[in-house]
Amino acid sequence: GQNIDQPTEMTATEGAIVQINCTYQTSGFNGLFWYQQHAGEAPTFLSYNVLDGLEEKGRFSSFLSRSKGYSYLLLKELQMKDSASYLCAVMDSNYQLIWGAGTKLIIKP
Amino acid sequence: IAGITQAPTSQILAAGRRMTLRCTQDMRHNAMYWYRQDLGLGLRLIHYSNTAGTTGKGEVPDGYSVSRANTDDFPLTLASAVPSQTSVYFCASSEGANQPQHFGDGTRLSIL
Repeated sequence: GQNIDQPTEMTATEGAIVQINCTYQTSGFNGLFWYQQHAGEAPTFLSYNVLDGLEEKGRFSSFLSRSKGYSYLLLKELQMKDSASYLCAVMDSNYQLIWGAGTKLIIKP
Repeated sequence: IAGITQAPTSQILAAGRRMTLRCTQDMRHNAMYWYRQDLGLGLRLIHYSNTAGTTGKGEVPDGYSVSRANTDDFPLTLASAVPSQTSVYFCASSEGANQPQHFGDGTRLSIL
């Protein structure tokens, strides 16, 4: 079966750095996406990785290792507004997104 | 403002009733999707459409139907609602099948 694993919840301090991991097992791979979802709102697109390595976009970076079935989202200089759920999703061989359950990130002052 | 509009925002429905959730996008995206989101679970794909006139089944299609008569609209119909269909429903669209998906604000549906 297809499976996306990510931690259920993480806590970090304002101004710090946090890394959210995602491991996956899917039938085929056509890219990995990270989305942010604030409580009661829609998911919004953060990043896309299809090749191995690090993609940097401002305070957020995303890393992919296809051989290990592994990705992480790195958030730097954390702000209170970063409190949200972070969703990892993998596009399988049928170009359908398989979603993880999300990681709820709690930022403390 | 360009984007995806879903209606209604929320609805309480008696079991056995028929319900259509509406979704309209003005970005001229080819692909559209319907997901349900339940606590503790990832988003699950119900139905999708890669282009106007075509639809396909996702992971959890039973009890739901869709149509794609034109590029902009992608309604989701529950023919006879059951309590297990209580969920938050998100419509999304993308330029192509392997492009980032953009989401509507969701419809919170409660079946009693």
